[in-house]
Amino acid sequence: DGGITQSPKYLFRKEGQNVTLSCEQNLNHDAMYWYRQDPGQGLRLIYYSQIVNDFQKGDIAEGYSVSREKKESFPLTVTSAQKNPTAFYLCASTGRGQETQYFGPGTRLLVL
Amino acid sequence: RKEVEQDPGPFNVPEGATVAFNCTYSNSASQSFFWYRQDCRKEPKLLMSVYSSGNEDGRFTAQLNRASQYISLLIRDSKLSDSATYLCVVNETPPGRRALTFGSGTRLQVQP
Repeated sequence: DGGITQSPKYLFRKEGQNVTLSCEQNLNHDAMYWYRQDPGQGLRLIYYSQIVNDFQKGDIAEGYSVSREKKESFPLTVTSAQKNPTAFYLCASTGRGQETQYFGPGTRLLVL
Repeated sequence: RKEVEQDPGPFNVPEGATVAFNCTYSNSASQSFFWYRQDCRKEPKLLMSVYSSGNEDGRFTAQLNRASQYISLLIRDSKLSDSATYLCVVNETPPGRRALTFGSGTRLQVQP
């Protein structure tokens, strides 16, 4: 089955801790994206990558970091600098020349 | 002013009713438009693209009015399974970026 997987489904972070959210796709898509969704809000873009070894900041990149060493993988690290990390994190990907974004099932991050 | 604005609802309608949602966008240079559906605590999924001439997919009809910068979604013969949040999505395409801008969503609750 082709698709996007995210893990874990739920993640708990302690104060001052960095955590990494996984996103993997086997759709052979070039572009990948990370969004954050807060209750009752739309999705906000954190980072995006249009090609391996390249990525760009989105609208709310502060306190986050990413890497794109492989086409299939785009992990997101929520650093201790992100003061309000509790949210629903969604990863998406798009094929070359396409605009439709396909989403993974998301990771809910909670701060203890 | 938000880039993409939607009435959050909720719209409570009986089964079989016809319901319409509108969405306005601020960037007149926007090129592509979509409606996504998001179920509670799940990822968004593409419902339909919106074309300039309007388009229909079964019980769903999408319209675009470029002059007034709004998009609409009409749902006929509502089903219980249509209950979800409907996200209006616009491709704003700043130079070098192909990311989508999401509205906050309109919640629909279809009642028996």
